[in-house]
Amino acid sequence: GAGVSQSPSNKVTEKGKDVELRCDPISGHTALYWYRQSLGQGLEFLIYFQGNSAPDKSGLPSDRFSAERTGGSVSTLTIQRTQQEDSAVYLCASTFVGTGLQPQHFGDGTRLSIL
Amino acid sequence: GQQVMQIPQYQHVQEGEDFTTYCNSSTTLSNIQWYKQRPGGHPVFLIQLVKSGEVKKQKRLTFQFGEAKKNSSLHITATQTTDVGTYFCAGPFSGGYQKVTFGTGTKLQVIP
Repeated sequence: GAGVSQSPSNKVTEKGKDVELRCDPISGHTALYWYRQSLGQGLEFLIYFQGNSAPDKSGLPSDRFSAERTGGSVSTLTIQRTQQEDSAVYLCASTFVGTGLQPQHFGDGTRLSIL
Repeated sequence: GQQVMQIPQYQHVQEGEDFTTYCNSSTTLSNIQWYKQRPGGHPVFLIQLVKSGEVKKQKRLTFQFGEAKKNSSLHITATQTTDVGTYFCAGPFSGGYQKVTFGTGTKLQVIP
């Protein structure tokens, strides 16, 4: 597709369950980002990928959060033993890496609700 | 660490009034980006400013980068209901790669 694709669009799960969120970036975009946005709040940086490596994981809130990227394309964000405070919209963005800062292209996000 | 603050946090305006949001960085920025997020939507890139004192216009939107490259503003002339949303500025993170630090955002509500 032409844009960043995220799935599922909505996820409701019980506290303590594991969840996996998927991001399919724009073809050719080597940089990929995960953000978290709580209701009415700003964008909280989670992790950044360049290709398959993650040079910056500084935003991951705890060791329950992990992410991987394979083939320089699709990325998955996994949250283990979910807690109610994990409820938020998880946004993925990708960019083309070129000269200077490039625009970030966002997906529609996954709305995660922990019961 | 690097901080990018925006004021105001919220703004309600009557349709037809002007609106301005200000973005202030704790560090000098090489460039700055602006994004708009409609309610229920995702952030969408609007523009990037690079030069000190640069001014760019997109129809009713005017973007300005400060002379010291530590602040920026977005001004909307004669707001319309389609302008409703949250406006974020974003500056490059001082890490040497394509990471940005997003501002705290300004939520604009336009009253018809």
